[in-house]
Amino acid sequence: GENVEQHPSTLSVQEGDSAVIKCTYSDSASNYFPWYKQELGKRPQLIIDIRSNVGEKKDQRIAVTLNKTAKHFSLHITETQPEDSAVYFCAASGGNTDKLIFGTGTRLQVFP
Amino acid sequence: GAGVSQSPRYKVAKRGQDVALRCDPISGHVSLFWYQQALGQGPEFLTYFQNEAQLDKSGLPSDRFFAERPEGSVSTLKIQRTQQEDSAVYLCASSIGGWGGYTFGSGTRLTVV
Repeated sequence: GENVEQHPSTLSVQEGDSAVIKCTYSDSASNYFPWYKQELGKRPQLIIDIRSNVGEKKDQRIAVTLNKTAKHFSLHITETQPEDSAVYFCAASGGNTDKLIFGTGTRLQVFP
Repeated sequence: GAGVSQSPRYKVAKRGQDVALRCDPISGHVSLFWYQQALGQGPEFLTYFQNEAQLDKSGLPSDRFFAERPEGSVSTLKIQRTQQEDSAVYLCASSIGGWGGYTFGSGTRLTVV
């Protein structure tokens, strides 16, 4: 089955700097890759997603890139703000199932 | 409804007690998923429904865990004879299907004492 690895597990940046979180997946049939943000005690919320027919997608300060050959995808946050502080999860699904397999999470701290 | 609703929000169970957790998905969402999230970990897949059909239950950790969605809308996750290792947040998510993004509920935090 699918296995998703995520790193780093923690990331501290200064406000205004960029943050990059990377994930790798094992199942070459996977073709949907969402990213979720989870604040303490709250539900995971979808922030951006990408499908396998696209190499990059951007939404304001957030972008995701996908390299299907290498089976990895990354989240890029530019001009970070303190309210970006949260745990971020990558996930993958595809083939013959809708189920998402999640990475282990990255705790991002943005210091003012 | 406007979002995915889960109840109860918190549940404390004595070891050995049975519990039932409810999920009310977004109206019209075909797919419904249950995940278990231990403290500091990512959500771990438990089971998945498409309408009333349980298509995948490979993540259920033991036969003490049972899920149903009899009419293709509300789902219940039941845990029999709870044990301490069952303590976690149980998240429900729904999607329109076809790799649409999930919408998660707020979860049920289960504590087994």
